[in-house]
Amino acid sequence: GENVEQHPSTLSVQEGDSAVIKCTYSDSASNYFPWYKQELGKGPQLIIDIRSNVGEKKDQRIAVTLNKTAKHFSLHITETQPEDSAVYFCAASRGRALTFGSGTRLQVQP
Amino acid sequence: DGGITQSPKYLFRKEGQNVTLSCEQNLNHDAMYWYRQDPGQGLRLIYYSQIVNDFQKGDIAEGYSVSREKKESFPLTVTSAQKNPTAFYLCASSIVPNGETQYFGPGTRLLVL
Repeated sequence: GENVEQHPSTLSVQEGDSAVIKCTYSDSASNYFPWYKQELGKGPQLIIDIRSNVGEKKDQRIAVTLNKTAKHFSLHITETQPEDSAVYFCAASRGRALTFGSGTRLQVQP
Repeated sequence: DGGITQSPKYLFRKEGQNVTLSCEQNLNHDAMYWYRQDPGQGLRLIYYSQIVNDFQKGDIAEGYSVSREKKESFPLTVTSAQKNPTAFYLCASSIVPNGETQYFGPGTRLLVL
């Protein structure tokens, strides 16, 4: 089955800096890659997603890039703010359900 | 006000007891999913249902059971066969049954007494 690895497990940045989280996947048939943000004690919130026919997607301060050949995708957050502090999960799917990475705890220092 | 609701927020289970977690959605989504989240880990798929009266096992289905009698409801039963049930349980739904664009409920935290 699919296996998704996520790095780093924790990330601390200064407010205003950029943050990058990387994921690799094992199943070359996977074609959908979402990113979720989870705040303490809450359910994950979908923040951006990308499909395999696209190499990059942006939404304001958030962007995701996909390299199908290398089977990895990344989340980029620019101009980080304290409210960006949360756990971020990547996931991959090939038409059934999602396989999640283990999460990255992002801490934005004011 | 559309969304996914899960109840209760906290649930306590005694040894040998079955407990049922509720998940309801009023988004008219076809597919629904149950995930388990352990501390510091990602989400793991327990069961999913792509259509009413049909469901499939996920990666960690042992000790769990589900039903999908109505489109808006997908309850999860944690049976006594699940020896390590303490976890955060998350329900999700998606408008199409291919796993894409899933929206999550607020979760139920299950604790063993």
